[in-house]
Amino acid sequence: QAPLQESGPGLVKPSETLSLTCAVSGGSVSSGFYYWSWIRQSAGKGLEWIGRVSTSGSTNYSPSLKSRVTISLDTSKNEFSLKLRSVTAADTAMYFCALEGRHDAFDFWGQGIMVTVSS
Amino acid sequence: DIQMTQSPASLSASVGDRVTITCQASQDISNDLNWYQQRPGKAPRLLIYDATNLETGVPSRFSGGGSGTDFSFTISSLQPEDIATYYCQQFGDLPLTFGGGTKVEIK
Repeated sequence: QAPLQESGPGLVKPSETLSLTCAVSGGSVSSGFYYWSWIRQSAGKGLEWIGRVSTSGSTNYSPSLKSRVTISLDTSKNEFSLKLRSVTAADTAMYFCALEGRHDAFDFWGQGIMVTVSS
Repeated sequence: DIQMTQSPASLSASVGDRVTITCQASQDISNDLNWYQQRPGKAPRLLIYDATNLETGVPSRFSGGGSGTDFSFTISSLQPEDIATYYCQQFGDLPLTFGGGTKVEIK
């Protein structure tokens, strides 16, 4: 079991970089064969997968965001992170981190962090 | 990208009713489909994986079916705590994609 907790600024200015971290407790980000994902949800809208990093550090990204996104592991802090560059108001959303575990499903989720893009 | 089309977008039913939601994939995804429940203000929760398998701890009134492109999710007897939005999600191919959601309300 690996509880997840997102952290980062709740307000980001347009054109700047959104940076979030997901702290993992109860397990190691680099053990097993799992994926650590970021997913977002705009107000009143559905869920959008942003991308993921494997326990070995390989990444996959949504094509619609690939040019602006970096997801990485920090094994020393047992966390993984999201960087989304050149943000606009359209990036305003609740951001969730999640573990894609045993069944190719998102078994565990963080509580989510609301990020607003505004000057 | 594989498009996931869920229907209906919302429904209202009485306590004890049988409720069914459908999810259609734009291409064959075998049984690579999961279902989630999202209560207001909360993170989603995995209910069904691999189209038909009940996640540990999930009540047996929830079930899933289907394969290929057409899938269903059923609540056999709707309870007040089932008020939520339900999402399907495919993992047959990248990028991972979700259905638009079905909001379930009590009549």
